[in-house]
Amino acid sequence: DAGITQSPRHKVTETGTPVTLRCHQTENHRYMYWYRQDPGHGLRLIHYSYGVKDTDKGEVSDGYSVSRSKTEDFLLTLESATSSQTSVYFCAISGTEGTEAFFGQGTRLTVV
Amino acid sequence: RKEVEQDPGPFNVPEGATVAFNCTYSNSASQSFFWYRQDCRKEPKLLMSVYSSGNEDGRFTAQLNRASQYISLLIRDSKLSDSATYLCVVNRVSNYQLIWGAGTKLIIKP
Repeated sequence: DAGITQSPRHKVTETGTPVTLRCHQTENHRYMYWYRQDPGHGLRLIHYSYGVKDTDKGEVSDGYSVSRSKTEDFLLTLESATSSQTSVYFCAISGTEGTEAFFGQGTRLTVV
Repeated sequence: RKEVEQDPGPFNVPEGATVAFNCTYSNSASQSFFWYRQDCRKEPKLLMSVYSSGNEDGRFTAQLNRASQYISLLIRDSKLSDSATYLCVVNRVSNYQLIWGAGTKLIIKP
């Protein structure tokens, strides 16, 4: 299995609080992605990174920000959590853009 | 129309049977196609890439039909352990991002 670790694995937080999810990889892959997965939807891309300090928005980026200060770490921040951000968040990596991606185990976030 | 569409199922199939499902995509210029498997409350895992010539991996066969813009997954001699959700993935040509179908749920029954 690809070396991808997400933390925390589960989190419950209150509406309006900031939340940061961490993704750490040991594969030295260039591309890193944050997705959310909700019932009835496919995985939806929030943000992605194509290198250190190089990030771009995905299709559902509103309310989220990211940072990548090192190749191995990609952080996702919910600036002010809302109930609509209750979801399962997956981090993924790939060596080349548009090719197969490998996933972390996911973070189950509940905003109450 | 969604960029990638799958029948959500569930497909209820007896053990040992053959099952097939399709996934349609809207962009005729897409170049990369994949099938992933996702078990309940787990992360998606790559099952196989789909090549123009089709490919086979044990009991699993994937095919691409560019004319009709769909990919298919065939599972022969299905096992109880094949029960999962199967996700179809296609790349978006404009920005190389992967576009994910919502998945087809498969339940293999003894």
